[in-house]
Amino acid sequence: AQSVTQLGSHVSVSEGALVLLRCNYSSSVPPYLFWYVQYPNQGLQLLLKYTTGATLVKGINGFEAEFKKSETSFHLTKPSAHMSDAAEYFCAVSLNQAGTALIFGKGTTLSVSS
Amino acid sequence: SAVISQKPSRDICQRGTSLTIQCQVDSQVTMMFWYRQQPGQSLTLIATANQGSEATYESGFVIDKFPISRPNLTFSTLTVSNMSPEDSSIYLCSVLEPPYEQYFGPGTRLTVT
Repeated sequence: AQSVTQLGSHVSVSEGALVLLRCNYSSSVPPYLFWYVQYPNQGLQLLLKYTTGATLVKGINGFEAEFKKSETSFHLTKPSAHMSDAAEYFCAVSLNQAGTALIFGKGTTLSVSS
Repeated sequence: SAVISQKPSRDICQRGTSLTIQCQVDSQVTMMFWYRQQPGQSLTLIATANQGSEATYESGFVIDKFPISRPNLTFSTLTVSNMSPEDSSIYLCSVLEPPYEQYFGPGTRLTVT
């Protein structure tokens, strides 16, 4: 069965530091992978997605993620954290190749200190 | 991307009552989804709602508890019936936009007392 594991429920970084949020997946089919961000009291916003093609995908707000099939990983990175990046981040995998049935990880809360 | 609104944004309800949540999209979409986000948890898909057909429920969710309507391509409702404190959650609707992207509404924060 497909599943998503996000390592670390809380990650704390200093402003300007590298952000690394980890996501590992299991999937019986070639996965479609997504990262979403949820700011307090708001819905989810799509950061980026991987479907096919280039394994390094760039998203909004300076975030990027790399699909590594051999490691079954899709880690999210940003070179320099900003205070406004503080939020909860969810990794998700689609159970099919239509993007309809999403399985979400448990989320990682990112804190950014000055 | 589609702009999605939900009503109400939050509510406090007594156990045993029902609440209907509305989801409005600013463009026509084929597929809409309803999710539940329990406190401190991730999102769980409740059901998929396509216009003109019955909603498809995920394991653990039943129509009697979570009836869904989808009268047209821009609107859907989710009713949480006979509520108990365990139903306290954030309920979110989303829409599928090609290719493969789901966009979410702001959510409805429900507290059952």
